[in-house]
Amino acid sequence: GNSVTQMEGPVTLSEEAFLTINCTYTATGYPSLFWYVQYPGEGLQLLLKATKADDKGSNKGFEATYRKETTSFHLEKGSVQVSDSAVYFCALILNQAGTALIFGKGTTLSVSS
Amino acid sequence: EAGVAQSPRYKIIEKRQSVAFWCNPISGHATLYWYQQILGQGPKLLIQFQNNGVVDDSQLPKDRFSAERLKGVDSTLKIQPAKLEDSAVYLCASSFQGPGNTIYFGEGSWLTVV
Repeated sequence: GNSVTQMEGPVTLSEEAFLTINCTYTATGYPSLFWYVQYPGEGLQLLLKATKADDKGSNKGFEATYRKETTSFHLEKGSVQVSDSAVYFCALILNQAGTALIFGKGTTLSVSS
Repeated sequence: EAGVAQSPRYKIIEKRQSVAFWCNPISGHATLYWYQQILGQGPKLLIQFQNNGVVDDSQLPKDRFSAERLKGVDSTLKIQPAKLEDSAVYLCASSFQGPGNTIYFGEGSWLTVV
């Protein structure tokens, strides 16, 4: 079946550290891939997306590259801030009508000053 | 542009009671989703509507959960009777029709069953 696997958290970093959150997927066909972020007490927000192999999604200093050969979509940021503390969800959707997002379990990031 | 609106934001009920959540999607969005997010887990799809028709309700516990979208706009999700394991955040989301369109989420309705 279709699924997303994320590295387990929590991830605890100091401000300005480099961030990587691993995400791999299993899918029939070629999905679109997403990272959503959930700040404390708020709803899910789209952080970035990539719709085909080798695409790089980027937003707010975060980046992720769609790697078809390794079925991965790892999230990276060169220098994290305290305000990046949140839960990050990797997700996929099949590129066909009538499908919905499939999420990983989420990775909690905590950044201290 | 107004986002996806949900209410109530928080609800505490006793087991075996009933509860209803309301969602108003972004204007013009034909596709509406209800997800359940249990603490520490990723959101799980409960039901997907296209206009007022059900596209996928395979993971909806139909013995206690029901959902409707009568006029193809607002939607209501009901739980009756509630169980302790229904404690979760219920997320409503919407998108334009068709694959590849961004899905926008509401802030969620937090349910605690005691």
